[in-house]
Amino acid sequence: SQQGEEDPQALSIQEGENATMNCSYKTSINNLQWYRQNSGRGLVHLILIRSNEREKHSGRLRVTLDTSKKSSSLLITASRAADTASYFCATASYNNNDMRFGAGTRLTVKP
Amino acid sequence: DGGITQSPKYLFRKEGQNVTLSCEQNLNHDAMYWYRQDPGQGLRLIYYSQIVNDFQKGDIAEGYSVSREKKESFPLTVTSAQKNPTAFYLCASRMGQDLTYEQYFGPGTRLTVT
Repeated sequence: SQQGEEDPQALSIQEGENATMNCSYKTSINNLQWYRQNSGRGLVHLILIRSNEREKHSGRLRVTLDTSKKSSSLLITASRAADTASYFCATASYNNNDMRFGAGTRLTVKP
Repeated sequence: DGGITQSPKYLFRKEGQNVTLSCEQNLNHDAMYWYRQDPGQGLRLIYYSQIVNDFQKGDIAEGYSVSREKKESFPLTVTSAQKNPTAFYLCASRMGQDLTYEQYFGPGTRLTVT
């Protein structure tokens, strides 16, 4: 069963704008990871945030985690057309020794 | 796509035929995974293997089978018992059982069954 649920399902913005995607999950987690998928390709790992962390940065990416609300957000600043892709959150929990992926947010960045 | 290869990229089969999808990794990872992705949807776990000669069912294992005879290889067989096999199949690997390790994905195989 899928653990994470991304919101919105689709997001369209202009180049240079910021993009925010949200992820909600249901059970306690060890960590939450964000992945990116270009159309018809495999997923690429972007960033991992542990359950005892609240915020993490990597380049133009900023991830937050609120374990009390069981939610996470991914912010991409100063977006580029090349950021156009689907973004998935994946949760890793002690209950199952593998990860569960959400349905993803489809981001379109218009040049 | 890291050191994981999946072949072929596109695969076409007639209904009622079994088909085997290849997944090879040269990352020396212990754990390997198979996911299925349907259009506009996320990934659903089919099977995973934490170590050679051992594997576990995921959420949608019915109609699929796997083997893990070598660390580098984790082939997936889609059998004729799978009711709706047309999908995009992704193989992934992870260094170990530590949950903080990221998964590395192959480029995927798009299977079409008619």
